Amino acid sequence: DVKVTQSSRYLVKRTGEKVFLECVQDMDHENMFWYRQDPGLGLRLIYFSYDVKMKEKGDIPEGYSVSREKKERFSLILESASTNQTSMYLCASSLPVNRNSPLHFGNGTRLTVT
Amino acid sequence: SQQGEEDPQALSIQEGENATMNCSYKTSINNLQWYRQNSGRGLVHLILIRSNEREKHSGRLRVTLDTSKKSSSLLITASRAADTASYFCIKRSQGGSEKLVFGKGTKLTVNP
Repeated sequence: DVKVTQSSRYLVKRTGEKVFLECVQDMDHENMFWYRQDPGLGLRLIYFSYDVKMKEKGDIPEGYSVSREKKERFSLILESASTNQTSMYLCASSLPVNRNSPLHFGNGTRLTVT
Repeated sequence: SQQGEEDPQALSIQEGENATMNCSYKTSINNLQWYRQNSGRGLVHLILIRSNEREKHSGRLRVTLDTSKKSSSLLITASRAADTASYFCIKRSQGGSEKLVFGKGTKLTVNP
């Protein structure tokens, strides 16, 4: 079974801190995604990557950056955390669209910025 | 983007009843996928249906696809309290972007 592992289940950070959220997948998937989920807003795509060192902005990239130095790892970086970035963050991975395969999600990181 | 729009936004039923939720989309697809999310957890893949398929089953789940109407339905039969969750659809298009955007989902509550 594909496993997508997010490094922390819960995280509490202070305003202004630099925050790293790590995601690792073990199935050699090309695509990796970062979403945030807030009540009433559903899942919103922050960034995605379709290959090592490749990244594309999603719908809400402001205040975030990403890093994909190795195929299995996709990091989300909050350069200077703010309280409006308090949210549930979900990482996912998948094969390319032409492979008719599903997304696989991690269990999420609930980040609180105080 | 490859967004699916789920309908209704919320659904409340009694245990044992069937639950039906719908997904509409706007452009042609390669496949459409349904996911479940239990509260506070990641999403779990339920069923993938390809564009040349009309119906697919998995246990108590039945998914239909009508490409002429650009819509799909997820039916959960004989629902249980454990089916309480949010359900999302997403479509993937051949030659489309790898960018995957989810709708807000259908929040299903099954009352014991």
